[in-house]
Amino acid sequence: QQQVKQSPQSLIVQKGGISIINCAYENTAFDYFPWYQQFPGKGPALLIAIRPDVSEKKEGRFTISFNKSAKQFSLHIMDSQPGDSATYFCAARISFQKLVFGTGTRLLVSP
Amino acid sequence: DSGVTQTPKHLITATGQRVTLRCSPRSGDLSVYWYQQSLDQGLQFLIQYYNGEERAKGNILERFSAQQFPDLHSELNLSSLELGDSALYFCASSVGGAGGKLFFGSGTQLSVL
Repeated sequence: QQQVKQSPQSLIVQKGGISIINCAYENTAFDYFPWYQQFPGKGPALLIAIRPDVSEKKEGRFTISFNKSAKQFSLHIMDSQPGDSATYFCAARISFQKLVFGTGTRLLVSP
Repeated sequence: DSGVTQTPKHLITATGQRVTLRCSPRSGDLSVYWYQQSLDQGLQFLIQYYNGEERAKGNILERFSAQQFPDLHSELNLSSLELGDSALYFCASSVGGAGGKLFFGSGTQLSVL
């Protein structure tokens, strides 16, 4: 199954709060899990990525948590800011080939 | 700026027509990927080229074709256009062919009327 299921579809968080976006997959052939951030009128841009042999990766306010046994991974945005308002896509790579994207989460951080 | 250039930014055409979308990858990147983004389908992988050769194929319709030229730029050709082909088409590039860190262009918005 070459799908990545992403939730929620949209999310509203107050400034300073924690934003959490979840993704789940079935295919154990996925070997790389990036998150992309997309602003209106722009293409997606790589935000942070993790490999399945690591359970957590942190870069600044952004953290990926990865649960291999549950086939789930999530993006946490700490101290969310209005500038973080964007659409976030999780993705998974199939055995050094194409990236499969989730359906996206629209995040709005209210001032 | 990702370094990936897509032209044109907007394209308006009629059903049945044919259009060509162009992509110039980042300097040094050998792989080019094409994705289609629509509201109901999200980002759908169409096709990947690596150093001039087709590397992977996704949900690309037979009416669509692509190629990568010796200078590594790529073109996506869409023919016999239908209303449902209206979407944002993204090109991305990467250094290698392993589909990892992709750099996306700003996209071409195609409107089929």
